[in-house]
Amino acid sequence: GQQLNQSPQSMFIQEGEDVSMNCTSSSIFNTWLWYKQDPGEGPVLLIALYKAGELTSNGRLTAQFGITRKDSFLNISASIPSDVGIYFCAGPLRYGNKLVFGAGTILRVKS
Amino acid sequence: NAGVTQTPKFQVLKTGQSMTLQCAQDMNHEYMSWYRQDPGMGLRLIHYSVGAGITDQGEVPNGYNVSRSTTEDFPLRLLSAAPSQTSVYFCASSYGAGGLYNEQFFGPGTRLTVL
Repeated sequence: GQQLNQSPQSMFIQEGEDVSMNCTSSSIFNTWLWYKQDPGEGPVLLIALYKAGELTSNGRLTAQFGITRKDSFLNISASIPSDVGIYFCAGPLRYGNKLVFGAGTILRVKS
Repeated sequence: NAGVTQTPKFQVLKTGQSMTLQCAQDMNHEYMSWYRQDPGMGLRLIHYSVGAGITDQGEVPNGYNVSRSTTEDFPLRLLSAAPSQTSVYFCASSYGAGGLYNEQFFGPGTRLTVL
């Protein structure tokens, strides 16, 4: 079953606002990944985090690997209309080469 | 590079029919995988492969078969389609070494409807 919990489920924000979303788990993860899916497309990797406490930026996006290794956060600054889409967190299960995904956060932007 | 390609883009099947979803990548990636995406459930792993000739089950393998005869191709077969298999299917690939399998490149998806 689902091992990653994402919140919020959806957001409807004004263009220019900052966005925060997070992903939590009852299990420890050694890697956290954030993907974005545009409507009608496949997911695209935004940021990969490999170390507890790590803070990584990609343009207006910043993601953090939680110290407990059970959570991660993604922030988007000064949102623009092309930020619309579904944002997924993902992480590898402890054993085997398998990724699990959260259910996603749907982001809508009012211009 | 074309990256990860999937065919067909859309497909409608009747219950009980069989079909194969095609996936190919031209990046010489070792790791390939199939996911299905259903509303509110994110992506769930169906099957994956860490190299030619090696496959393994993911979270939701029932009703699907895979094989990996070449590095480039990883087809997904539905033997007897059921309405519960109505979904969007994504193929993905990655280098697969040293945890880099996490950084997966996704194809554009196949939208399957089973009536």
